[in-house]
Order: sequence, then C-alpha cells, then structure tokens
Amino acid sequence: EAQVTQNPRYLITVTGKKLTVTCSQNMNHEYMSWYRQDPGLGLRQIYYSMNVEVTDKGDVPEGYKVSRKEKRNFPLILESPSPNQTSLYFCASSLGGQRYGYTFGSGTRLTVV
Amino acid sequence: GQNIDQPTEMTATEGAIVQINCTYQTSGFNGLFWYQQHAGEAPTFLSYNVLDGLEEKGRFSSFLSRSKGYSYLLLKELQMKDSASYLCAVIVTGANNLFFGTGTRLTVIP
Repeated sequence: EAQVTQNPRYLITVTGKKLTVTCSQNMNHEYMSWYRQDPGLGLRQIYYSMNVEVTDKGDVPEGYKVSRKEKRNFPLILESPSPNQTSLYFCASSLGGQRYGYTFGSGTRLTVV
Repeated sequence: GQNIDQPTEMTATEGAIVQINCTYQTSGFNGLFWYQQHAGEAPTFLSYNVLDGLEEKGRFSSFLSRSKGYSYLLLKELQMKDSASYLCAVIVTGANNLFFGTGTRLTVIP
C-alpha cells in the first residue's frame, strides 16, 4: 500500500531533550516536506526536500533540522525542543509537487513540557 | 508573502449544497488544491485546478478564476461524514511547496 509513515503518533517530552520524528514513504517520491499545524494558523511548512541531499527552509524552520540521506526517509530533528514547538506535525511526499499534490502521513502530536 | 483566505466556519444541512470560498494573493501561481481533513487526521486530496473553470468529481466540484485570485469548493448532497475542515492550498510559481489557508471547518447538521 502506497503510504507515508510517521513515527511516533504521540510524543510527550521535556524541554531541551533532543528528539527525532521519522518519516518514510514507499512511493519513490522526490519531494518531501514537513508541516506543523496549530489552531488558527493552519498548516505551515517547516522544511522541504526536492531530492536526496537537497533540502530548504520553509516558512517556520527555526528550531528544526532535517536530513535527506535516502530518497524514502526525511526525519525531522528537534535539537532542543521548547514548549512553543508543541504542535501537530505532518510529513508529506509528492511525485511532482504540482498536479499530484502531496500525500500526508498520519501526523505526530508532540507536547513539550 | 503569500495570503490565502477562507471563512473560518460554516454550517449546512444534510442533503443541501454548500460552497466554500478561497481567495489568494501570492507571488505567482502554479495551481490550487483543495484538501479535506477530519479532526486529528491527515489531510486528504480532493481536487486540483490550474486552469480557469470548473472541475467536477462526483459530489465535489472545484472552480478557479486566476484573474480574480478566487476558487470555491462545491459540495452537493451533503452527508454527515462531510463534516470536516476543508483546506485551500496554492503552489507558487518556481516553488514546490504548498501554501495553505487556515481552513474552513464545515459542520453538517441533520
């Protein structure tokens, strides 16, 4: 089944403790992206990647890192999480970005205390 | 910057027709998407418009006017399961990322 898999689905952590949210897609998509979703603000892009070893900042990249060492994986790294990073995170991938839009993972609800 | 506006909330009756509007002002335009998102779940693709006009897909239709920076999503024969948020998103020329509006929360009542 074609899908984008994120883990974990839920995570509660403490301020400053490094964490990684994994994302993997099995559709051989070139484009991958991370979004965060907050009430009243909608989906905002954090980082995106157009191919292996090619990444770029989205609208809200501060406090996040990404890597794209393999085509299928695009992990999101929070080196020192803070409470304002409490949010619902979505990973998404796309065949061509335009006509096909993005396929989204199931989401990761992160709480930083 | 990119600006995409949608109404925050709408309510409609089961069996009726509802139109959700989206206006956008972006630095270039390369297509507009509509997504459906149930609470706590991932957005799912509904439609894509890049040329002016109406695209119909079953009970759902989407319209685009590029000159007006305007789109709408039309839902016919509303069902209770259509209660969800509907997200308008634009791809900007030269970019490969989607810029989203804040979404319209639709509630379908009996």
